[in-house]
Amino acid sequence: KAGVTQTPRYLIKTRGQQVTLSCSPISGHRSVSWYQQTPGQGLQFLFEYFSETQRNKGNFPGRFSGRQFSNSRSEMNVSTLELGDSALYLCASSFRTGDRGYTFGSGTRLTVV
Amino acid sequence: QKEVEQDPGPLSVPEGAIVSLNCTYSNSAFQYFMWYRQYSRKGPELLMYTYSSGNKEDGRFTAQVDKSSKYISLFIRDSQPSDSATYLCAMSATDAGNNRKLIWGLGTSLAVNP
Repeated sequence: KAGVTQTPRYLIKTRGQQVTLSCSPISGHRSVSWYQQTPGQGLQFLFEYFSETQRNKGNFPGRFSGRQFSNSRSEMNVSTLELGDSALYLCASSFRTGDRGYTFGSGTRLTVV
Repeated sequence: QKEVEQDPGPLSVPEGAIVSLNCTYSNSAFQYFMWYRQYSRKGPELLMYTYSSGNKEDGRFTAQVDKSSKYISLFIRDSQPSDSATYLCAMSATDAGNNRKLIWGLGTSLAVNP
């Protein structure tokens, strides 16, 4: 079966711009989580959605937002990009919140210049 | 102090060696313990999942949890070049809002040399 699909794989943006990343979870999975991964901070939790509702949120500024659609696909948006937002953004899906383990996508590599 | 500490390495071993990867944690509320493997340019994939103290074996991999010492380990026997990856530990607890909170180690980079 198809895995978690993230698009685009690579993105280069300029400071001050905004960006939207997309995630299609595994069929049947209704929970989608987003993470930011950097060498210095590792994996940091952004937010988790289940049935179109945000169920959990990490400690990121309001410039980071997300949403989930009725087909469980999810998008995350970062507005007013900063150089420090350069990272690998990972999406993970599971059947429900609180499930053991996640299935991750390959991520979107965002570079802010 | 981070809630989860993991030595980032890098760790370099010859093929066939036994590898030991470790994480320590400070939050005694952590209930679930996981090990993920991440290859370059890929997302992490779940390797092992444990709940209680003790050992859990899956093929060449053994996960060990010692809740009294707040210490978890992943052992890889007969290591292969294909095991070269970054290994991340993750732990979870349920917060006051009944939401699962997952905390990650920074990951240990492992290279297995033929």
